[in-house]
Amino acid sequence: DIVMTQSPDSLAVSLGERATINCKSSQSVLKSSNNKDYLAWYKQKPGQPPMLLIHWASTRESGVPDRFSGSGSGTDFTLTISSLQAEDVAVYYCHQYLTTPWTFGQGTKVEIE
Amino acid sequence: EVQLVESGGGLVQPGGSLRLSCEVSGFTFSSYSMNWVRQAPGKGLEWISYISTTSNTIYYADSVKGRFTISRDNAKNSLSLQMNGLTDEDTAVYYCARDRTTGNTRGRFDYWGQGTLVSVSS
Repeated sequence: DIVMTQSPDSLAVSLGERATINCKSSQSVLKSSNNKDYLAWYKQKPGQPPMLLIHWASTRESGVPDRFSGSGSGTDFTLTISSLQAEDVAVYYCHQYLTTPWTFGQGTKVEIE
Repeated sequence: EVQLVESGGGLVQPGGSLRLSCEVSGFTFSSYSMNWVRQAPGKGLEWISYISTTSNTIYYADSVKGRFTISRDNAKNSLSLQMNGLTDEDTAVYYCARDRTTGNTRGRFDYWGQGTLVSVSS
C-alpha cells in the first residue's frame, strides 16, 4: 500500500498569512505513461463531508478560490493557502489515486492564530 | 443539484450485520462509478470500496474484504453496502462518494454524502 504522510499535523496561521501543508508518499504517484501525478487534496470542515479541492497535484476544482494551490511531483507535494481566510479553517487531506487501495494522509488541521 | 443521502447506520453488536444505502439525485447515476469511504470518530479518511457503472469492476480495502459487499441498482439510483461480521474497528461515519472517472483514471471523489454513523458495541 502507498502510505501518505502529512506534515505538520496542525498549524495556526494569522488571517491573511500563508499556510503550507506537506504530503509525502511512500512511493512515487507519478505515472510515467502520461506524466501525471495521481495526487488530490481535500478539505473537511467540522461536521461536514470532505470536499475535493485539487487533483492531478495542481489542478483546482471548479469554484475553488485561487488562493489554494498545489505543487510537487513524484513523492513530495505541497498545498498552499496564499492568504488564509476564516472559512479555510478545516482539516486538509492529501490522497493518492494511483493504485488501490487508494489512501489518504492522516490530515492537517489548520486554525487561526 | 447533486445530492447523495446515506441511510441505514446505527448501533450494532460485534459480529452483527448492517446494510447501508445511498440514494442519489441530480446526476445520471448509471454513468458514474461510486465509492464508500469511512471515517472513525476523530480520525482520518479510509477508502473501503469501489463499484463501476455496470458493477463489473469492484474493489475492496483489505480491512473489509470478505466481510463487506458493495452493490448498486441503477434503476433505483441506489448504492448499497452490506456489512457482515462487524467489529468495533468498523465504528465510523460511512460516506458514499461519487467517482470522478476519466478514461482509465478512477479514485477521485468529487461529491460526497453527509454520511451515516455506524457504531459497533456490546
